[in-house]
Amino acid sequence: DAGVIQSPRHEVTEMGQEVTLRCKPISGHNSLFWYRQTMMRGLELLIYFNNNVPIDDSGMPEDRFSAKMPNASFSTLKIQPSEPRDSAVYFCASSLAGSRNQPQHFGDGTRLSIL
Amino acid sequence: GNSVTQMEGPVTLSEEAFLTINCTYTATGYPSLFWYVQYPGEGLQLLLKATKADDKGSNKGFEATYRKETTSFHLEKGSVQVSDSAVYFCALPSGNTPLVFGKGTRLSVIA
Repeated sequence: DAGVIQSPRHEVTEMGQEVTLRCKPISGHNSLFWYRQTMMRGLELLIYFNNNVPIDDSGMPEDRFSAKMPNASFSTLKIQPSEPRDSAVYFCASSLAGSRNQPQHFGDGTRLSIL
Repeated sequence: GNSVTQMEGPVTLSEEAFLTINCTYTATGYPSLFWYVQYPGEGLQLLLKATKADDKGSNKGFEATYRKETTSFHLEKGSVQVSDSAVYFCALPSGNTPLVFGKGTRLSVIA
């Protein structure tokens, strides 16, 4: 079975450019999570959706960050304009909602470098 | 909200050594507890979980017991292999946040 699919795997761009990260959750999962991982701050939850609706976006660092989930099989995380401090690995994860016992399934991440 | 504290790494062990990675939690009630593992270049994956006090989760030779008396969920393995080299995360739900992760403990196993 296909797991969580993220694209691109690597992205290098110059500061000020728009960056769009993409995620396809596991079919049938109705919760989707975006995380950011850095050496300094560890793993941070940015935002999560239940049934395509954003539930908690308190982790989104600034207005430059936005996330959408137009349907159950696709989500994007956008940074506009990008800055060097946004460099990190961004993970998408999905799970079945409704129970605190359900594990989250992670994609392999997008390694983002802003020059 | 709920939180976890993990021992800081890195932890370096020789192959076949015994492993313990400490995790203590602060929580309201008795939430489920999880260990996730992250291999190099990959995302996190669930290693094991325990859903109530005194439960023992186990997988791939790893074990952790949910101990409410000591508010702990320490990860153990009797004999580590080079392939166990990874970063290990303790986690639990907190309020509206489905999972709160610890800072991670990096394990390196040398042959």
